[in-house]
Amino acid sequence: EAQVTQNPRYLITVTGKKLTVTCSQNMNHEYMSWYRQDPGLGLRQIYYSMNVEVTDKGDVPEGYKVSRKEKRNFPLILESPSPNQTSLYFCASSLAAFSYEQYFGPGTRLTVT
Amino acid sequence: DQQVKQNSPSLSVQEGRISILNCDYTNSMFDYFLWYKKYPAEGPTFLISISSIKDKNEDGRFTVFLNKSAKHLSLHIVPSQPGDSAVYFCAARSFQAGTALIFGKGTTLSVSS
Repeated sequence: EAQVTQNPRYLITVTGKKLTVTCSQNMNHEYMSWYRQDPGLGLRQIYYSMNVEVTDKGDVPEGYKVSRKEKRNFPLILESPSPNQTSLYFCASSLAAFSYEQYFGPGTRLTVT
Repeated sequence: DQQVKQNSPSLSVQEGRISILNCDYTNSMFDYFLWYKKYPAEGPTFLISISSIKDKNEDGRFTVFLNKSAKHLSLHIVPSQPGDSAVYFCAARSFQAGTALIFGKGTTLSVSS
């Protein structure tokens, strides 16, 4: 089954404790991205990757890092999480950078206390 | 400055009637528009899209209309079914602006039987 998977689905952590949210897709997509969804703000892009070893900032990149060492994986790293990063995170992928349809993972709900 | 606006946070419709979800945008460079549907605890899923060179696109019960002069698009669901109850996001993109989808805040549709 074609899908985008994220782990963990739920995470509660404390301020400053480094964490990684994993994202993997099995569709051989070139383009992957991370979004966060906050109440009243919709989905906003954090980082994106157009291919292996090619990443760039989205609209809200502060406090996040990403890497793309393999085509299928695109982890989101929070080196020193803060409470304002409490949010619902979605990973998405598409065939190519300018493919219009993006496939989303199920989401990771992160709480930083 | 919000480029994609969904001004109605919620909409309630009876089963069998028409649901009309609205979306306004400000960036005249947007060249493609998409609607995503999101159920609780799941990621958004692609529903229907329309290119800026068209004014209508239909897929089964779902039709999207685009009025470029008014910078307005709408999603019509006919007939509405209880399973259509979800959050609907309008999204837009511009080839010139890059690869990110710009999302609206979403409209929660409730279809009662």
